[in-house]
Amino acid sequence: GAGVSQSPSNKVTEKGKDVELRCDPISGHTALYWYRQSLGQGLEFLIYFQGNSAPDKSGLPSDRFSAERTGGSVSTLTIQRTQQEDSAVYLCASGRDRLSTDTQYFGPGTRLTVL
Amino acid sequence: LAKTTQPISMDSYEGQEVNITCSHNNIATNDYITWYQQFPSQGPRFIIQGYKTKVTNEVASLFIPADRKSSTLSLPRVSLSDTAVYYCLVGDSYILTGGGNKLTFGTGTQLKVEL
Repeated sequence: GAGVSQSPSNKVTEKGKDVELRCDPISGHTALYWYRQSLGQGLEFLIYFQGNSAPDKSGLPSDRFSAERTGGSVSTLTIQRTQQEDSAVYLCASGRDRLSTDTQYFGPGTRLTVL
Repeated sequence: LAKTTQPISMDSYEGQEVNITCSHNNIATNDYITWYQQFPSQGPRFIIQGYKTKVTNEVASLFIPADRKSSTLSLPRVSLSDTAVYYCLVGDSYILTGGGNKLTFGTGTQLKVEL
């Protein structure tokens, strides 16, 4: 069956530009998570959605980062005025519900490079 | 947040059993322990999850002592294809804590399996 998809797979941008990263979760999954992974680092939690609402945004590293989810499905992570330290792989995951016992299914990630 | 600590890397040979231990001294009562496997350029893949004692599936076993301050992922008879990064994840339950589903990944353990 269809898994979590993300687009673009790779994004190269110049410092100061805005970027949008897209995540299409598995159909019917109400929980959606964003993580990022910097080179040689572990996964860093950014934000999670339950339906269209984001009860926990505390992982967003700065106010340049924002995310939204519409229709309980597609989510967009937006980074404004990108900086070189934003370069990382951004991973999206979805799950059936919001409990920690729920398995998260990850997408392939978007590799962001800020020059 | 329950922080996790894992060895940075481990080496093994085909056919051997590999045990990777994760420390999570601040684990909360409602936390579950989940292990993920990640290959290069891919998102993490669920391996196993547990709350206490021992859990076994077709891929691995998870040992959790009574105090739950650590857990050990056991991979029986590893092969070259098990070469990957293994992440230990400790998660809060949104419903019980009311604080959002915060998920913390460790830095991961790079397992290298050789012939």
